[in-house]
Amino acid sequence: KAGVTQTPRYLIKTRGQQVTLSCSPISGHRSVSWYQQTPGQGLQFLFEYFSETQRNKGNFPGRFSGRQFSNSRSEMNVSTLELGDSALYLCASRGSGTSIGETQYFGPGTRLLVL
Amino acid sequence: KQEVTQIPAALSVPEGENLVLNCSFTDSAIYNLQWFRQDPGKGLTSLLLIQSSQREQTSGRLNASLDKSSGRSTLYIAASQPGDSATYLCAVRYGGATNKLIFGTGTLLAVQP
Repeated sequence: KAGVTQTPRYLIKTRGQQVTLSCSPISGHRSVSWYQQTPGQGLQFLFEYFSETQRNKGNFPGRFSGRQFSNSRSEMNVSTLELGDSALYLCASRGSGTSIGETQYFGPGTRLLVL
Repeated sequence: KQEVTQIPAALSVPEGENLVLNCSFTDSAIYNLQWFRQDPGKGLTSLLLIQSSQREQTSGRLNASLDKSSGRSTLYIAASQPGDSATYLCAVRYGGATNKLIFGTGTLLAVQP
């Protein structure tokens, strides 16, 4: 099976712009989670989608939003970008989303630089 | 507050040495704990997952243990190799249906040839 894919891999934006990142989970996986990784804060949970519904949300401002499509692909959007949004954004997928024993598989990430 | 801490933050060892990485968590009501490695600028690769009912898991030269009562997990790497050089992260999952992982701060491992 192909792994989790994320596009684009690198992105440069300026403050105030908005950005959309895309994640395609492993085929058959219905749960997609997003994480932000920065040197100062480490890996932080953004949100999780399962069957097109947001199931959980981390402590991020409303500028961060996401959605999931019927084919389980997910997008996250950041509006009104700030310098502090520069980070590696990682997407992870999991199987049924309800079993306690399933491993999360991560994509390679999208590196966002805000100037 | 649910927090995960990893010690040491960085570790340098000569090739061939056995080593232990530590992970501690404040809330012992975990569902499972997962160890990952991350190479520079890359995503995360899952190494081992331990369910809350398990005490340890093994994969090749890696062995992870879990002690829920003390809020600790260790990752043991036997006969380390330069290719093991990476950042190692532990992540704890709480709750049933949620996928939310709380990550530790990571241990940067360098194995010297």
